[in-house]
Amino acid sequence: GAGVSQSPSNKVTEKGKDVELRCDPISGHTALYWYRQSLGQGLEFLIYFQGNSAPDKSGLPSDRFSAERTGGSVSTLTIQRTQQEDSAVYLCASSSRTGLYEQYFGPGTRLTVT
Amino acid sequence: RKEVEQDPGPFNVPEGATVAFNCTYSNSASQSFFWYRQDCRKEPKLLMSVYSSGNEDGRFTAQLNRASQYISLLIRDSKLSDSATYLCVVKSFNGNTPLVFGKGTRLSVIA
Repeated sequence: GAGVSQSPSNKVTEKGKDVELRCDPISGHTALYWYRQSLGQGLEFLIYFQGNSAPDKSGLPSDRFSAERTGGSVSTLTIQRTQQEDSAVYLCASSSRTGLYEQYFGPGTRLTVT
Repeated sequence: RKEVEQDPGPFNVPEGATVAFNCTYSNSASQSFFWYRQDCRKEPKLLMSVYSSGNEDGRFTAQLNRASQYISLLIRDSKLSDSATYLCVVKSFNGNTPLVFGKGTRLSVIA
């Protein structure tokens, strides 16, 4: 079946501009997560959505970052007034309620802020 | 202390060798443990879950030591295709909470 998809795959933007990154989770998965990975670094948790519950935003690095999930499916991560340190790969993952809650990752969006 | 710590490597081993990675975690409330694999410029993918009694999947063996709070991954008969970064991952609570990732251990298997 279809896995997690993300768009765009690459995004180059100028410092100060806003960007929107999109994630389509696996159909039926109730949980959706956003992470980012800077070059040579580990994964940094940003935000997660679980069903209709309020999202856990504890990992968002600043108020320039926000995310929403419409209809319990597609999610959009928005970064306002981008800075060079925002350059990273932004990864989305989803998981179901069953089993050991393994997370399936999308291919990521590589964001470069110039 | 970092929540999940791993030796970054790289581990450079010849084909056919056996290699082991260890990982320590700081939160004794951690409930679930995993090894993920990440190829260069690709997304992480689940390699195997780690069960309390230890578990094996082909050439891969994972073990958990709750008392010492460490997890290990053993790869036997290494293949060139095993070259990747191996991420130790823990989850503190049951349910769909975020995973905590280690920074990974890089493995290069050399012909």
